[in-house]
Amino acid sequence: IAGITQAPTSQILAAGRRMTLRCTQDMRHNAMYWYRQDLGLGLRLIHYSNTAGTTGKGEVPDGYSVSRANTDDFPLTLASAVPSQTSVYFCASGDSVSNEQFFGPGTRLTVL
Amino acid sequence: GQNIDQPTEMTATEGAIVQINCTYQTSGFNGLFWYQQHAGEAPTFLSYNVLDGLEEKGRFSSFLSRSKGYSYLLLKELQMKDSASYLCAVMDSNYQLIWGAGTKLIIKP
Repeated sequence: IAGITQAPTSQILAAGRRMTLRCTQDMRHNAMYWYRQDLGLGLRLIHYSNTAGTTGKGEVPDGYSVSRANTDDFPLTLASAVPSQTSVYFCASGDSVSNEQFFGPGTRLTVL
Repeated sequence: GQNIDQPTEMTATEGAIVQINCTYQTSGFNGLFWYQQHAGEAPTFLSYNVLDGLEEKGRFSSFLSRSKGYSYLLLKELQMKDSASYLCAVMDSNYQLIWGAGTKLIIKP
C-alpha cells in the first residue's frame, strides 16, 4: 500500500489562519516525526511521538502542536500561521528494529 | 551543541567515483545514516552504520570512524540519476536524528 501519506500536497495560507497538516502511515510503526526543511538548513524536528498517546517537542516546536490518538495518524497543527512557517513539511515514521525513518512525500506550505 | 558538517555542493563526472564526507559532534551516538533526496521529493534511506568500518551496498558504500566523528559516502560508476542531495544524519542519545544540511551532487556528462 502507500507507506506514508501526507495531505495536502501544497497549500497557500493567509497569516493568522489555522491549518492542520495530515499524516497517515500503514506500517504500524510506533514512532512518528514531523520535520520542516528550509533551503540551506538540515531537516529540523518539530515534534515527535514514540507511541500512540504520547508526544514530545523537537528542536523547533513553537507555533506547532501535534496529537497521536492512534498508531496510524499524526496531524500537525499551526494554530495561527506566520510567514516564517513557510517551508516544506515532512512526516516520517520510524522502524524500531532498523532505526530507519520512512518519509512521506511532503507538504509545501506558503504563509503570506 | 550538536553539529553535522558536510560540503554544500560537489560536482563529478558520469562514470567516475565521488566521496562525500560528513563530520559530526553529537550528544551520544546510536548510528549514522545516509539518505538520498532528489529535488522536490522525500528523503530515501541509503545506509546505516553503527560500528566502525565500511558497509558496501552495490555502487554505494558508507564508512564510519566513531573515534574521529567521521563518515563518508562513496558512490561508484556515477550515473546521471545520482544527481541529488545526500543527507548525513546521526542518531543521538535520545534516538532522535540530527541532520546535516545536505550535499548537492551535480553529475556532468
